[in-house]
Amino acid sequence: EVQLVQSGAEVKKPGESLKISCKGSGYSFTSYWIGWVRQMPGKGLEWMGIIYPGDSDTRYSPSFQGQVTISADKSISTAYLQWSSLKASDTAMYYCARRSRIAADAWGQGTMVTVSS
Amino acid sequence: DIQMTQSPSSLSASVGDRVTITCRASQSISSYLNWYQQKPGKAPKLLIYAASSLQSGVPSRFSGSGSGTDFTLTISSLQPEDFATYYCQQSYSTPQYSFGQGTKLEIK
Repeated sequence: EVQLVQSGAEVKKPGESLKISCKGSGYSFTSYWIGWVRQMPGKGLEWMGIIYPGDSDTRYSPSFQGQVTISADKSISTAYLQWSSLKASDTAMYYCARRSRIAADAWGQGTMVTVSS
Repeated sequence: DIQMTQSPSSLSASVGDRVTITCRASQSISSYLNWYQQKPGKAPKLLIYAASSLQSGVPSRFSGSGSGTDFTLTISSLQPEDFATYYCQQSYSTPQYSFGQGTKLEIK
């Protein structure tokens, strides 16, 4: 069974750094792109960027370029999303998703990030 | 950027109804169009990919059609578990796989 398991909820202060994770299992982690999706409270889905764990090829949506860093460690089948300096506007649920063919066919359970002073 | 526009934004319907949701792209995306269902507090679930291909395990009452700029998701006979929010997504323009704003399907 394909599974993506994300790290737990985080509560941070503005200016702090954060790295959340997404561990894949049940498939060849290096053979599929992994994307990250933001969902702000009560809002819709926003595609942030995508990484190919096989060679770490990473691409960002323009709105998120320079705001976050996407990475992966294929030795432990884990993708990451990180911030160097959080803002209150980063408060959101973050999902990782596997891209198969042209769609996201498997999703993590989500990681809630709350940034508040 | 490719903009995706769904209509309606919300919809009230009854169990057994036939429902259609529309998604329009700001430029041609061929058949690079996917549909997802999201229930409150849950991750999205893929229903339809490549405009009209049914994802494995998804009931056949869900169907998709369209190409170019205009697409539809149809639920042939609404079931109680179908009340949710539905999103279209284009996967034509890497890596900006933009979503529509969502359509909230509520019980009448």
